[in-house]
Amino acid sequence: NAGVTQTPKFRILKIGQSMTLQCTQDMNHNYMYWYRQDPGMGLKLIYYSVGAGITDKGEVPNGYNVSRSTTEDFPLRLELAAPSQTSVYFCASGSGTGGHEQFFGPGTRLTVL
Amino acid sequence: AQTVTQSQPEMSVQEAETVTLSCTYDTSESDYYLFWYKQPPSRQMILVIRQEAYKQQNATENRFSVNFQKAAKSFSLKISDSQLGDAAMYFCGPPQGAQKLVFGQGTRLTINP
Repeated sequence: NAGVTQTPKFRILKIGQSMTLQCTQDMNHNYMYWYRQDPGMGLKLIYYSVGAGITDKGEVPNGYNVSRSTTEDFPLRLELAAPSQTSVYFCASGSGTGGHEQFFGPGTRLTVL
Repeated sequence: AQTVTQSQPEMSVQEAETVTLSCTYDTSESDYYLFWYKQPPSRQMILVIRQEAYKQQNATENRFSVNFQKAAKSFSLKISDSQLGDAAMYFCGPPQGAQKLVFGQGTRLTINP
């Protein structure tokens, strides 16, 4: 059981480039989330989804886009990368029950130069 | 806005001793869960313990227990018999609405051998 997988693990982008961070879960969870974690800080919610075809903004959505075409996948798109987007990105999923416990992926470390 | 405050950026404890990490929060929810997550150097987020707010009894998971004071909106984590493997960042968070978790900024716990 793989849980939540994220690709890539590391990436370096140049300012203005675009990329997609991939996230897949195999637990049939309806809820999926994207967070960013800046150095020495907590997690901030970027976007979340409560099911296929439904997404909503979190605390820090600017500069990002998401889609949720299937239950399993929740990609995060960065358009026109900026140095302020240098961070570690975590994807998580949850069933929406049992206190909304979230299961996290291993993270993607992104550097924008 | 929902907020979570962890007032101790860093804590240290001698191996085998007990340490308490503090967390206060603000939520407009009437029924909610509270969580402590652990993030070791591997960056993987791991659920440590969960508390249902409508339950008066404090949650316990082996060496980990909480002191939940609902009226004061306080949710501290006690780690007994500290072990080297407990060294990590610890994040506190309540749910925001039915879908989202808001995290505190974290407490870095160091275990001294």
